[in-house]
Amino acid sequence: QSVLTQPPSASATPGQRVTISCSGSRSNVGSDYLNWYQQLPGTAPKLLIYSHTQRPSGVPDRFSGSKSGTSASLAISGLQSEDEADYYCAAWDDSLNGWVFGGGTKLTVL
Amino acid sequence: QVHLQQWGAGLLKPSETLALTCSVYGGSLSGYHWGWIRQPPGKGLEWIGEINHSGSTNYNPSLKSRVTISVGTSKNQFSLRLSSVTAADTAVYYCATGAVAGYADWGQGTLVTVAS
Repeated sequence: QSVLTQPPSASATPGQRVTISCSGSRSNVGSDYLNWYQQLPGTAPKLLIYSHTQRPSGVPDRFSGSKSGTSASLAISGLQSEDEADYYCAAWDDSLNGWVFGGGTKLTVL
Repeated sequence: QVHLQQWGAGLLKPSETLALTCSVYGGSLSGYHWGWIRQPPGKGLEWIGEINHSGSTNYNPSLKSRVTISVGTSKNQFSLRLSSVTAADTAVYYCATGAVAGYADWGQGTLVTVAS
């Protein structure tokens, strides 16, 4: 059982907008450090969003993050077939003094 | 751009110690956090622990009694040791690095299988 809760799956058609949620508690999602990772099949995870809303250099602005209380969301607009992947949220947990991950959401582009 | 290359034994017997090393190219260990994350086959990511530029470590409480993360004698390497492994420790192990906000660079992953 993961500390952070994500839906196991999501789907949308090309061009649409999809959101993936991540819920937790004040000690983790409520902190300043909440990241989103994209994992394509057979590859290492890639950092998409850090500190809830910041995009590393090179990540398209189709990807955006937001926070509301103890929930966070990743939004992908203008969905493309290459966005089909597993998406994980991760947060620094002030109580555990470590990173905790969500269980992951498998995104299918229909 | 930082590049991480990791290596170590891929097949262990129960009760043995897992040992992996990660080399950093294009950067150094100063000013960053250096972590290990694992992923059991077909499952999600699990944070194992990390070491920072000052040598301080943080570990996953569920693994803390068995884990050691250290900086190698070569200052551009860091290592993971996980003792008394069981089949439940079978996973792809990743090394990763980044600033305090998250892991921006990852190694290629090493599949470690524990079987008798």
